[in-house]
Amino acid sequence: EAQVTQNPRYLITVTGKKLTVTCSQNMNHEYMSWYRQDPGLGLRQIYYSMNVEVTDKGDVPEGYKVSRKEKRNFPLILESPSPNQTSLYFCASSLATEDTQYFGPGTRLTVL
Amino acid sequence: AQKVTQAQTEISVVEKEDVTLDCVYETRDTTYYLFWYKQPPSGELVFLIRRNSFDEQNEISGRYSWNFQKSTSSFNFTITASQVVDSAVYFCALSEAGGRDDKIIFGKGTRLHILP
Repeated sequence: EAQVTQNPRYLITVTGKKLTVTCSQNMNHEYMSWYRQDPGLGLRQIYYSMNVEVTDKGDVPEGYKVSRKEKRNFPLILESPSPNQTSLYFCASSLATEDTQYFGPGTRLTVL
Repeated sequence: AQKVTQAQTEISVVEKEDVTLDCVYETRDTTYYLFWYKQPPSGELVFLIRRNSFDEQNEISGRYSWNFQKSTSSFNFTITASQVVDSAVYFCALSEAGGRDDKIIFGKGTRLHILP
């Protein structure tokens, strides 16, 4: 089954404790992306990747890092999480920028 | 710069009424793609439609229809004979493939309540 998986689905952590949210897709998609969803602000793109070893900043990259060592995986790294990073995070993938995105189920992160 | 505006934050209609969700976009590129996604109360994001900038034909899929007008930079979405299951947040999005960057911009969404 074609899908995008994210782990964990829920996470409560404390300020400053490094964390990684994993994202994996099994559709051989080249384009992968991370979004955060906050009330009243919609979905905002954090980082995206056009292919392996190619990543670029979206609209709200501050405080986040990503890597794309393999085509299927695109982890989101918070080196020192802060409470303003409390949000619902979605990973997505598509064949290319202009194609339909397939979204993961979301990760709800709370930073205390 | 890219921008997507969904001016309607929240809409409530009674079941069986028609409802139109507005989407206005800004782009400097001549080649771009527009999308609509649905986010039901369960939280997942579901693709509804993709339209490229060279195809201005309106599209109908069952009770859903989309009106793309380049002259007004709008890509509006109409639900005919709405049903309670249509209650969701709807997002419009813009992608400028081959443009200066490969970002994808979403609007802030319109929360649609269909009242029984």
